[in-house]
Amino acid sequence: AQKVTQAQTEISVVEKEDVTLDCVYETRDTTYYLFWYKQPPSGELVFLIRRNSFDEQNEISGRYSWNFQKSTSSFNFTITASQVVDSAVYFCALSDPGGSEKLVFGKGTKLTVNP
Amino acid sequence: DVKVTQSSRYLVKRTGEKVFLECVQDMDHENMFWYRQDPGLGLRLIYFSYDVKMKEKGDIPEGYSVSREKKERFSLILESASTNQTSMYLCASRDSSYNEQFFGPGTRLTVL
Repeated sequence: AQKVTQAQTEISVVEKEDVTLDCVYETRDTTYYLFWYKQPPSGELVFLIRRNSFDEQNEISGRYSWNFQKSTSSFNFTITASQVVDSAVYFCALSDPGGSEKLVFGKGTKLTVNP
Repeated sequence: DVKVTQSSRYLVKRTGEKVFLECVQDMDHENMFWYRQDPGLGLRLIYFSYDVKMKEKGDIPEGYSVSREKKERFSLILESASTNQTSMYLCASRDSSYNEQFFGPGTRLTVL
């Protein structure tokens, strides 16, 4: 069965600190996609990134970076020089086997960035 | 930009009432989804729809039904609301060519 584990329930940092959010997944499929979403206090989930299982290159977008390692089944997310606006709940998700439409979500990590 | 809208941000209903939650997307996406989000449980899939008039049960369909008469609209129906259906309800849509889902702002439903 598919599963996504975000072991960190809550993280609190001070502004300008770097922070890494962990995501570990389980799947028997060889073709799959991984995602990160951000849910700010307003409630709407915002899509951040999609990564397919054949592309293990790390990705950087501004202060955000993602590290995908198939050997450890992990897809970790790092925010560099965190800001108060980064405060949100972050979800990692995995696509269902066979490329179907369903996503399996982790339970989320609540990040609080204090000024 | 993809726009997914939900009919209400906040809704208060009484036990036993029939409740309709509406979701509309403006990008001609084939796939649409309804999730509920509860503290400590994350997002759980209730129902999804591949296309008009097509629907599939998700992980927690009990107590819910759905309707998709038009491509842009996907409705979630609580036939007889109960207090354990108090939750945040999130709608999403997806283009069949890509895997990411785009979410609406959510409806926080309270059943008294």
